[in-house]
Amino acid sequence: EIVLTQSPGTLSLSPGERATLSCRASQSVSSNYLAWYQQKPGQAPRLLIYGASSRATGIPDRFSGSGSGTDFTLTISRLEPEDFAVYHCQQYGSSPPTFGGGTKVEIK
Amino acid sequence: QVQLQESGPGLVKPSETLSLTCTVSGYSISSGYYWGWIRQPPGKGLEWIGSIYHSGSTYYNPSLKSRVTISVDTSKNQFSLKLSSVTAADTAVYYCARIVTDYYMDVWGKGTTVTVSS
Repeated sequence: EIVLTQSPGTLSLSPGERATLSCRASQSVSSNYLAWYQQKPGQAPRLLIYGASSRATGIPDRFSGSGSGTDFTLTISRLEPEDFAVYHCQQYGSSPPTFGGGTKVEIK
Repeated sequence: QVQLQESGPGLVKPSETLSLTCTVSGYSISSGYYWGWIRQPPGKGLEWIGSIYHSGSTYYNPSLKSRVTISVDTSKNQFSLKLSSVTAADTAVYYCARIVTDYYMDVWGKGTTVTVSS
């Protein structure tokens, strides 16, 4: 199965700053089938990005996804207070679908 | 607005079977999509358990396949998870979700905590 490694484990930033999160796959992700989710404490994950770069319904345009093959990036252009959370990547190009370990974006 | 709600016992004894149900509102399971289960052990990442289509066809994570059964009841607009022979390693928050054909999740339930302990 494909192993996803997210880095950094924790990102300490201030509101208004730019956040860049990485997700690296152990092998190429077929058709760039990679999704990103946001999870706040005590809540379920929320779909942000699918297909590596397509924003889900209702997601603000400060969230963007990019990448292909084995290297993917989630960028939050200007952090809002509600963006401090854990972010998970998931590949669904190969079976079984797998998730990364998550990146926590915390307030500096 | 599609909503999913998990229900079931919060405590299961080791070696017994964990049983959870997901009730879907705002959308008919029979209309399409896949439906599935994902879990998150305390302090750890997410793990795909398996999925089912309204026709009953299933896909299970090979790591859990020998212990997992997912079923659907379209008359009640529900689907269910059974995980047999549980151990402490099965302690987790269990989420049900609507799954887009390509196998990412666009709607999630709030999750339910299941603890395996005697």
